Amino acid sequence: EVQLVESGGGLVQPGGSLRLSCAASGFTFSSYSMNWVRQAPGKGLEWVSYISSSSSTIYYADSVKGRFTISRDNAKNSLYLQMNSLRDEDTAVYYCAREGGGGYNYFDYWGQGTLVTVSS
Amino acid sequence: VIWMTQSPSLLSASTGDRVTISCRMSQGISSYLAWYQQKPGKAPELLIYAASTLQSGVPSRFSGSGSGTDFTLTISCLQSEDFATYYCQQYYSFPWTFGQGTKVEIK
Repeated sequence: EVQLVESGGGLVQPGGSLRLSCAASGFTFSSYSMNWVRQAPGKGLEWVSYISSSSSTIYYADSVKGRFTISRDNAKNSLYLQMNSLRDEDTAVYYCAREGGGGYNYFDYWGQGTLVTVSS
Repeated sequence: VIWMTQSPSLLSASTGDRVTISCRMSQGISSYLAWYQQKPGKAPELLIYAASTLQSGVPSRFSGSGSGTDFTLTISCLQSEDFATYYCQQYYSFPWTFGQGTKVEIK
């Protein structure tokens, strides 16, 4: 059974940093590209970042470029999101999501999400 | 950036109804479109990819159609567990984008 479990969320002040983790199991993690998608309270879904299976290709949404860094450790079956210079508008539930396979970047499995609250 | 217009934003319906949700793209995306269902407090779940391919385990009352710029999600006979919010997503080009969502509520 595919499982994605996020952790690392919490309350942080504006300008602060946080590192999210996503532990994957039930599939060959090193064969799949991964993503982070977020959802602000009461709002819709926003794609945040993408990393290919070998980490050779990385993309970011303009809203987080230069502040967030995605990475992965295939030996540990883990995905990460380092978030720096956090702003109020980064407050959201952050989901890790697996690509659908075949190189197509729809999201076939999602974690349960971890809440990041940026507030003073 | 490919902009997506999803409509309606709110849909009131009764159990047993046939409902349709529309997603229109600002440019053609072939069939690189997915649909998701999200219930309150839960992660989204994939319903359909490649515009019309049903994800494994998804009931056959869900169907998707369209290509290019206009797409539709249809629920043929609404069940109680289908009251939720639905999102379309294009994966034709970076950045991947989502529609604004359609909340299907009980009439």
